[in-house]
Amino acid sequence: EAGVAQSPRYKIIEKRQSVAFWCNPISGHATLYWYQQILGQGPKLLIQFQNNGVVDDSQLPKDRFSAERLKGVDSTLKIQPAKLEDSAVYLCASSLYGAGGNTQYFGPGTRLTVL
Amino acid sequence: QQQVKQSPQSLIVQKGGISIINCAYENTAFDYFPWYQQFPGKGPALLIAIRPDVSEKKEGRFTISFNKSAKQFSLHIMDSQPGDSATYFCAATVGSARQLTFGSGTQLTVLP
Repeated sequence: EAGVAQSPRYKIIEKRQSVAFWCNPISGHATLYWYQQILGQGPKLLIQFQNNGVVDDSQLPKDRFSAERLKGVDSTLKIQPAKLEDSAVYLCASSLYGAGGNTQYFGPGTRLTVL
Repeated sequence: QQQVKQSPQSLIVQKGGISIINCAYENTAFDYFPWYQQFPGKGPALLIAIRPDVSEKKEGRFTISFNKSAKQFSLHIMDSQPGDSATYFCAATVGSARQLTFGSGTQLTVLP
């Protein structure tokens, strides 16, 4: 079974530029999460989708971050404009819906460096 | 607000020794406590998990001890191996949304 796929793996941009990350969850997983992991810290949830609907985006900085999951499968996370403090690894995770959804499966992440 | 506090930040253990990582939580509504293992360049992977209705869960060399009254739980790695060298995160979730609140992580190094 294929795992969670993310691209690109690395991205370097100048501050005030825009960037987009892509995630393809495990087939059949209705729930998709985006996390931000700053160096030396645990991942922090940014947004959670259930199919193509948003369950929780309370920790998403909506003035610069946006995310979508139009067909309930792939998802993109965008930052516009980027700030220095956005340098982090962006992790995508997916899980089954309901009682089987305790286990979140993480992708390898996208390492973003903002100069 | 950090809801799951993890210690130590780093840990060095000799091969064959016992590694112990501790976590404490504040939110009594948490109902599922997983531990994740993360290798460099990889995403976290579920290692072992426990619910608050049991005090201990063991899977191979990995054991979670849970103290509900103290709001603390810990990971014990018996017979630690160099291949166990990684960053370990405790986490907690509440409710059907299953959103993970992570601790700050422990970087474990097992010396050969």
